[in-house]
Amino acid sequence: GIQVEQSPPDLILQEGANSTLRCNFSDSVNNLQWFHQNPWGQLINLFYIPSGTKQNGRLSATTVATERYSLLYISSSQTTDSGVYFCAVSPANAGGTSYGKLTFGQGTILTVHP
Amino acid sequence: NAGVMQNPRHLVRRRGQEARLRCSPMKGHSHVYWYRQLPEEGLKFMVYLQKENIIDESGMPKERFSAEFPKEGPSILRIQQVVRGDSAAYFCASSPPSQKTQYFGPGTRLLVL
Repeated sequence: GIQVEQSPPDLILQEGANSTLRCNFSDSVNNLQWFHQNPWGQLINLFYIPSGTKQNGRLSATTVATERYSLLYISSSQTTDSGVYFCAVSPANAGGTSYGKLTFGQGTILTVHP
Repeated sequence: NAGVMQNPRHLVRRRGQEARLRCSPMKGHSHVYWYRQLPEEGLKFMVYLQKENIIDESGMPKERFSAEFPKEGPSILRIQQVVRGDSAAYFCASSPPSQKTQYFGPGTRLLVL
């Protein structure tokens, strides 16, 4: 099946710093989503971005589908940004039954200190 | 528009009991997915359902686990004869027929004593 690798595994920042999280995937995708799992365990949908660039406030994401990677940018980080960031993908060449199945990376644990 | 609803949010069971986890998808969403997050691990796909049909259950353990999404009512993930290794967070997600984006519920934390 498709492989998803995220880097770095851990990231510690001071409030106000910027960061870039990376997601590499091993095959063409028709779905790529970024999630934030907050310290209470809730999964927050950040972006649906199988290709291109999107921005939402201090967050932005870019997926270069031809090179099989996606980047999540966090600017002016805040303590509330702490948590685990997951990238999840669905392969584009899967059969019909695998269409909806998301494969998650292992996540990047972000800690933002005040 | 309410988000994906899951209940209970926390569930404690003793070994050998049954656990029933419920998921109500967002309004207008006919696709439901279940994922499991074991302690210190990422999320793993379990099953993908549409109304009254199981589309992909390749991630479901072969024994003790079952899922349904009836014509009326929530989707149910059922775990029979629970064991300590079933302790995990179980997340449900839903999507509308025409879109790929999956929206996740708050999860059910299952603890097996």
